[in-house]
Amino acid sequence: AQSVTQLGSHVSVSEGALVLLRCNYSSSVPPYLFWYVQYPNQGLQLLLKYTSAATLVKGINGFEAEFKKSETSFHLTKPSAHMSDAAEYFCAVSVDSARQLTFGSGTQLTVLP
Amino acid sequence: EPEVTQTPSHQVTQMGQEVILRCVPISNHLYFYWYRQILGQKVEFLVSFYNNEISEKSEIFDDQFSVERPDGSNFTLKIRSTKLEDSAMYFCASSDNGRGLETQYFGPGTRLLVL
Repeated sequence: AQSVTQLGSHVSVSEGALVLLRCNYSSSVPPYLFWYVQYPNQGLQLLLKYTSAATLVKGINGFEAEFKKSETSFHLTKPSAHMSDAAEYFCAVSVDSARQLTFGSGTQLTVLP
Repeated sequence: EPEVTQTPSHQVTQMGQEVILRCVPISNHLYFYWYRQILGQKVEFLVSFYNNEISEKSEIFDDQFSVERPDGSNFTLKIRSTKLEDSAMYFCASSDNGRGLETQYFGPGTRLLVL
């Protein structure tokens, strides 16, 4: 079975500062990894995904994530936070044998002026 | 841009009542999913559906739950006799195919409150 751990249920950064949201996964087979963002009163929107083509994945809104197999991590970063980045971020994992996403518990990002 | 839609956005019901949550997946997608998120907890997989039958279901998806694609556009989740613990946000999703790397596109959710 797959699992995802997101360290830090709440993260606060100042506008213009680096954003780092942590995600570690557990999987006995090669995983596919996803970051979704949820703005208030909206659904889950895909930010980026890792499908084994490249370990550094670039997504929308300036976000990127690096797959590190040795660390079983897929942390999400953005060099400079914007007020509009304030949202909840979810890391998720899937595998070829299961048509379902397993989510982490989410990280609420607050951007301070 | 195509999107998944869900109705209603909010539903309040009495314990023991039946509810039907509705979803319209992206039109050319073939795989459909329901997830739920109890307040303060993780988003959890309930069920996946392909070719008019359930592909996978979780332990949560017991006999009280059922899914249906009644026509060419709608995908529904029925809870036969709601319990207090069914209160949650329910998300519908769809994907082009069922491979693990395929992106699932989510709707905005239905917030269900069981009193």
